[in-house]
Amino acid sequence: GAGVSQSPSNKVTEKGKDVELRCDPISGHTALYWYRQSLGQGLEFLIYFQGNSAPDKSGLPSDRFSAERTGGSVSTLTIQRTQQEDSAVYLCASSLGRTQETQYFGPGTRLLVL
Amino acid sequence: GQQLNQSPQSMFIQEGEDVSMNCTSSSIFNTWLWYKQDPGEGPVLLIALYKAGELTSNGRLTAQFGITRKDSFLNISASIPSDVGIYFCAGQPRGGTSYGKLTFGQGTILTVHP
Repeated sequence: GAGVSQSPSNKVTEKGKDVELRCDPISGHTALYWYRQSLGQGLEFLIYFQGNSAPDKSGLPSDRFSAERTGGSVSTLTIQRTQQEDSAVYLCASSLGRTQETQYFGPGTRLLVL
Repeated sequence: GQQLNQSPQSMFIQEGEDVSMNCTSSSIFNTWLWYKQDPGEGPVLLIALYKAGELTSNGRLTAQFGITRKDSFLNISASIPSDVGIYFCAGQPRGGTSYGKLTFGQGTILTVHP
């Protein structure tokens, strides 16, 4: 499809396990963003990529969280040693990359840590 | 992390009524955005505001960028059942490494009774 896609759509894991969340941005979009949405809350910024580099990682909540982007396209958000408080919807967005360009969001990955 | 103060948290209205919601911030933003999120989906952009004092309409939606750059409101006129969802305001700062990074309000849950 033409939109941002994310996989998996749902993920249930046990506390302490590692998880990888994938984002496929819109083709040609150089900027990519990860956000986290906890139940009943707004979106919380995690990290921003311009191309393959991440000029702003200020939103990553701890060193258990990391993200990478390869080929200026697909991005993976990795959470190591998951905790119950990591349970949330993780949303990815992409934009053309210039200031004030519209961010288009994917459907999100719903993560539940038991 | 930093969030915008969005109100009201929820609204229950009758079909045909007008709706108003607003956001305030202690920080100045360069851009104000209003998104709508349906269940199981990512947010979709409704209106973008780029200039202080700007008033913009999109069909039954009208939004304004406050003169102080610290607030914005969204009005929906003649509500219909498909307006149901969660509405988020978002602010985008000036340039630098944080450009593109959005700060979201907590959301307004809108319920429309037929």
